[in-house]
Amino acid sequence: GENVEQHPSTLSVQEGDSAVIKCTYSDSASNYFPWYKQELGKGPQLIIDIRSNVGEKKDQRIAVTLNKTAKHFSLHITETQPEDSAVYFCAARLYNFNKFYFGSGTKLNVKP
Amino acid sequence: DVKVTQSSRYLVKRTGEKVFLECVQDMDHENMFWYRQDPGLGLRLIYFSYDVKMKEKGDIPEGYSVSREKKERFSLILESASTNQTSMYLCASSRGRGFRQETQYFGPGTRLLVL
Repeated sequence: GENVEQHPSTLSVQEGDSAVIKCTYSDSASNYFPWYKQELGKGPQLIIDIRSNVGEKKDQRIAVTLNKTAKHFSLHITETQPEDSAVYFCAARLYNFNKFYFGSGTKLNVKP
Repeated sequence: DVKVTQSSRYLVKRTGEKVFLECVQDMDHENMFWYRQDPGLGLRLIYFSYDVKMKEKGDIPEGYSVSREKKERFSLILESASTNQTSMYLCASSRGRGFRQETQYFGPGTRLLVL
């Protein structure tokens, strides 16, 4: 099966700085990579996703990049705000499978 | 908006009890999933279902069973709860099959404590 590793496990940044979270995957057959944000006491919510035929995707202050050759993808948050503080999960889905494989999560703390 | 609801936010049970966790989605999704979430381990898949009365084991099915009698409802059953099943349980649903599957939508979670 697939194995997804996520780094760092915790990340502390100053408000206004950028934050980068990185994930690697093991199976080159993975072709869809969503990112989730989980706020305290809530379930994870999709914030951005990328498919394997695309190298980068942006949505306002959030961007995701994918390097298929190196089998890694990253979440970039610019101009961080205190409300960005949460746990972020990356995931990978194998082509033609119904299962998603999740990273272990990154706790982001944005200091005002 | 997709809505996934779980029957309880918090649950306290005793060792050996049979525990039912219920999940309902209102978007006619084919796929439903049960995960457990533990610190440092991320989300681990327990069971999933891609159709009514169909189920498939995930990565950690031992000690759990599931039931999907209706498309919108997916139940997780702990036959005899043990303390190592103390965890946060997350239900999710998604549309589509295989490479057409869209992203998963999660419920708020049930925090289960087994004493």
